[in-house]
Amino acid sequence: EVQLVESGGGLAQRGGSLRLSCTASGFTFNIYWMHWVRQAPGKGLVWVARIHKDGPYTSYADSVRGRFTISRDNAKNTLHLQMNSLRDEDSAVYYCVREYDGAGNWGIDYWGQGTLVTVSS
Amino acid sequence: SYELTQPPSVSVSPGQTARITCSADALPHQSIYWYQQKAGQAPVVMIYKDTERPSGIPERFSGSNSGTTVTLTISGVQAEDEADYYCQSSFNSGIYWVFGGGTKLTVL
Repeated sequence: EVQLVESGGGLAQRGGSLRLSCTASGFTFNIYWMHWVRQAPGKGLVWVARIHKDGPYTSYADSVRGRFTISRDNAKNTLHLQMNSLRDEDSAVYYCVREYDGAGNWGIDYWGQGTLVTVSS
Repeated sequence: SYELTQPPSVSVSPGQTARITCSADALPHQSIYWYQQKAGQAPVVMIYKDTERPSGIPERFSGSNSGTTVTLTISGVQAEDEADYYCQSSFNSGIYWVFGGGTKLTVL
């Protein structure tokens, strides 16, 4: 059974940092592209970042580029999101998600349950 | 950039057909994916690659593509289908991804 379990959420100060982690199990982690998607309370889904299955290629939403860094440790089946210079608008549930396997199949087949990040002064 | 537009809400009575549209602001667009999110839960994929239905998803859910507008159709809506629905696509060959704003389906 595919499982994605996020951790590391909590309360962070405006301008501060937080590191999210996602532990994957039930599948061969190193053959999948992975992403982070967030959802502010009562709002819609927003794509945040994407990382290649081996890690060298990443892409980011304009709203987080330069502040957030996505990374992965394939030996530990773990995905990370380093969030710096946090803003109030970064407050959200952050989901770790798996991209479909297969060329051109650019969608999500599995979602974690999410971890809540709250940014406050 | 690239945007997907959905109606904020759709309401139908049980047994009727619900249609939720997703309009892309540019052509060509990559495949559209549809996700269902019930209150307090993580999203679940309902349709992938515009029209494909994952295993375990009821046959009453279907997807269609008519160029700039893609539609999620729910035939014979049931009370359990009440949820938020999001479309998603990508651009620049999958490098950047985007979600529509979401549609709240209310079953009257």
